Amino acid sequence: GEDVEQSLFLSVREGDSSVINCTYTDSSSTYLYWYKQEPGAGLQLLTYIFSNMDMKQDQRLTVLLNKKDKHLSLRIADTQTGDSAIYFCAEMPGGSYIPTFGRGTSLIVHP
Amino acid sequence: DTGVSQDPRHKITKRGQNVTFRCDPISEHNRLYWYRQTLGQGPEFLTYFQNEAQLEKSRLLSDRFSAERPKGSFSTLEIQRTEQGDSAMYLCASSHPRGKNTEAFFGQGTRLTVV
Repeated sequence: GEDVEQSLFLSVREGDSSVINCTYTDSSSTYLYWYKQEPGAGLQLLTYIFSNMDMKQDQRLTVLLNKKDKHLSLRIADTQTGDSAIYFCAEMPGGSYIPTFGRGTSLIVHP
Repeated sequence: DTGVSQDPRHKITKRGQNVTFRCDPISEHNRLYWYRQTLGQGPEFLTYFQNEAQLEKSRLLSDRFSAERPKGSFSTLEIQRTEQGDSAMYLCASSHPRGKNTEAFFGQGTRLTVV
């Protein structure tokens, strides 16, 4: 995960928006992904964005991609306690079929 | 379709013993991945199959590790002469290409504890 960087923790109040940031290094990455992991569980694919897009919205989730800065963000609107989990950013480098993951951002939602 | 299935969910073994884990991918997914995850880290790539062919192996996959996918469906990951440093969550994922996208779906993982 050393090529994909994320801040380790984010704490938000229930009902607020959460923004989780990620930077990646491979400019040839064609797809970028967000996964969610709850304690003791595997990873759940939340959403993905193709590199020719700037934004993708899916219900409460909004993904923003700044390809010039190699910066990806995930915004969760109206954050709920059930959103508490670790969120992983992953890139799929061009010419590869192997997702590379960051260390994950632990999202803590408090009342 | 029940998703990616891994067995066992938990394994405790003594140092020096051999262990084998199984992964059943989503049916018709031709790509299968093994990752290792330790506490506080993201998944680290171990190896990747396309059908029965093992196409790539990470430097993390020492000689004590071997993975197979004999018929292009389920896969096994064996660790020989386990060491305490092998304690981790072992994750399996599968994908099926749709166009250029290959979103990977993960199983629940096998948590290995070496004592």
